[in-house]
Amino acid sequence: SQTIHQWPATLVQPVGSPLSLECTVEGTSNPNLYWYRQAAGRGLQLLFYSVGIGQISSEVPQNLSASRPQDRQFILSSKKLLLSDSGFYLCAWRGRDRGTDTQYFGPGTRLTVL
Amino acid sequence: AQSVSQHNHHVILSEAASLELGCNYSYGGTVNLFWYVQYPGQHLQLLLKYFSGDPLVKGIKGFEAEFIKSKFSFNLRKPSVQWSDTAEYFCAVIPATDSWGKLQFGAGTQVVVTP
Repeated sequence: SQTIHQWPATLVQPVGSPLSLECTVEGTSNPNLYWYRQAAGRGLQLLFYSVGIGQISSEVPQNLSASRPQDRQFILSSKKLLLSDSGFYLCAWRGRDRGTDTQYFGPGTRLTVL
Repeated sequence: AQSVSQHNHHVILSEAASLELGCNYSYGGTVNLFWYVQYPGQHLQLLLKYFSGDPLVKGIKGFEAEFIKSKFSFNLRKPSVQWSDTAEYFCAVIPATDSWGKLQFGAGTQVVVTP
């Protein structure tokens, strides 16, 4: 069966520090992968998606970047964090469920920037 | 711009009460619709989805949702809630023309069920 992992689970970082969040998927190959963010009081916003190794599409201009160095690894990064980067970051992969597409989410990383 | 609106941000109700959460979207074409739920301390998980066919969709844990195309709505319902239904509920949309499967979420509704 497929599983998705994210780490760390929680992170507290000072403003201006770098960031690296990792997401890995097991049990599937060449999945579409997604990074979402939920800011306080807001819904989940798609940040990046990837359809393959080295292929990244950004949905919103921001202080973050993403990379996909391996088929089942998706990394979210920043060189210098801002206060507004605080939030709950979710990674997802796209699979099939009863013949239709479904996204499956990881446990998330709660990031607090102080 | 396309958007997804959830009418209530917070709902508090007693066990055995009925629940209905509103969801409207602004997109004129064919859409695929989803309700996700996040229980405290757990992953975001799929409750139910609509792609085509019967507009009344049944999901897990006794939830159902009705797609009303003329109203651009996909409201979630449960006839009798339990304390374990305390969670945050998210409505989401993917335009059928979107081959990348990019979910557009509503802001979410926090539901608290009291014993």
